[in-house]
Amino acid sequence: ELKVEQNPLFLSMQEGKNYTIYCNYSTTSDRLYWYRQDPGKSLESLFVLLSNGAVKQEGRLMASLDTKARLSTLHITAAVHDLSATYFCAVAYSGGGADGLTFGKGTHLIIQP
Amino acid sequence: DAGVIQSPRHEVTEMGQEVTLRCKPISGHDYLFWYRQTMMRGLELLIYFNNNVPIDDSGMPEDRFSAKMPNASFSTLKIQPSEPRDSAVYFCASSLLVRVREGYTFGSGTRLTVV
Repeated sequence: ELKVEQNPLFLSMQEGKNYTIYCNYSTTSDRLYWYRQDPGKSLESLFVLLSNGAVKQEGRLMASLDTKARLSTLHITAAVHDLSATYFCAVAYSGGGADGLTFGKGTHLIIQP
Repeated sequence: DAGVIQSPRHEVTEMGQEVTLRCKPISGHDYLFWYRQTMMRGLELLIYFNNNVPIDDSGMPEDRFSAKMPNASFSTLKIQPSEPRDSAVYFCASSLLVRVREGYTFGSGTRLTVV
């Protein structure tokens, strides 16, 4: 059974600070996704990571993947209030198809002015 | 593209009643997924379809839950009879196999409250 663990689950930080969210998963996978969810809203795709060493950046967010360690990180640089949200990582089985995703519990991020 | 469309957005029903949630995937997408989100259990995959055929329903919690996809543009998730513990947000998502590496698109969700 594929398990996905995120930490921390809750994070309160000040604007301007840097922080990293960690996502560990239990079995081999060829796809890892990061999503953002605002309160009462749907899930918005942020990043798709497909290979070992993959790094993607969008604005103040940067995601990386280490398939050997089964670890992905989402790094926040110089946080701003607009980044307050819940962030999920999700992993697909290495089936080659569009398998259902297994999600972590999410990291509830609050960025205070 | 209108995205994945779910209806209703909110549903309040009494325990024991039948509830039907609806989903219209993105046109041309060949995979459709139903997820449930609760505070306690997070996001759980309930069932998914490929070309209208159910592939994996191991996440369906009980026989009270059933899902159908009669055609490529419509799917339903039915709960009969509903119970208070079914209260959750139910999301539908769709994807295209050849573009799965670009991600899955989620609908806005249906917030179900069973009283």
